[in-house]
Amino acid sequence: DQQVKQNSPSLSVQEGRISILNCDYTNSMFDYFLWYKKYPAEGPTFLISISSIKDKNEDGRFTVFLNKSAKHLSLHIVPSQPGDSAVYFCAASVDSSYKLIFGSGTRLLVRP
Amino acid sequence: DGGITQSPKYLFRKEGQNVTLSCEQNLNHDAMYWYRQDPGQGLRLIYYSQIVNDFQKGDIAEGYSVSREKKESFPLTVTSAQKNPTAFYLCASTLTGVGDTEAFFGQGTRLTVV
Repeated sequence: DQQVKQNSPSLSVQEGRISILNCDYTNSMFDYFLWYKKYPAEGPTFLISISSIKDKNEDGRFTVFLNKSAKHLSLHIVPSQPGDSAVYFCAASVDSSYKLIFGSGTRLLVRP
Repeated sequence: DGGITQSPKYLFRKEGQNVTLSCEQNLNHDAMYWYRQDPGQGLRLIYYSQIVNDFQKGDIAEGYSVSREKKESFPLTVTSAQKNPTAFYLCASTLTGVGDTEAFFGQGTRLTVV
């Protein structure tokens, strides 16, 4: 049973437009959510996170939104750049559980 | 520069052989993790260790073993009991539990059974 789901395996966006990556979760105990970016044959790198006590967190071009009632989070990238092309994973954890649960990833392609 | 180093980057294993993947970190992090990535799937947790000389099974521990004799090192052995070992393996570390800290990942080891 997948606790963290990314239902869109891929997304293609024009450079300069907004990219919206979505993530759904089933475990209401999750209280911390993270987004990671991964290039081929490399380890994921941390992008942005959000605690369950917030509904929005911004860092430059990246904004994460959390809707706890819908058990849904999304990552917005504005404006999208070709260098943003990568696989994006969302992940969730229960505080101090030592276990990060990852979604299956969404491959983002930003077209020049 | 602080970080996590995994070696080797590529590893080939014959059927029936045990192989050990190395993971070293100089971030002074307490917790370390091993994940496996298969095509079209997320990262699945194999084992994790909160402190030296202690480790816990993750979701897919069967066929794997680990040790944590030093804070900096968390090697993963893929045993012959692992039925489908071909995958991309990622090691990660966090300062404490993952609840409020980001995980830092190594560059990964791609293991192929030949």
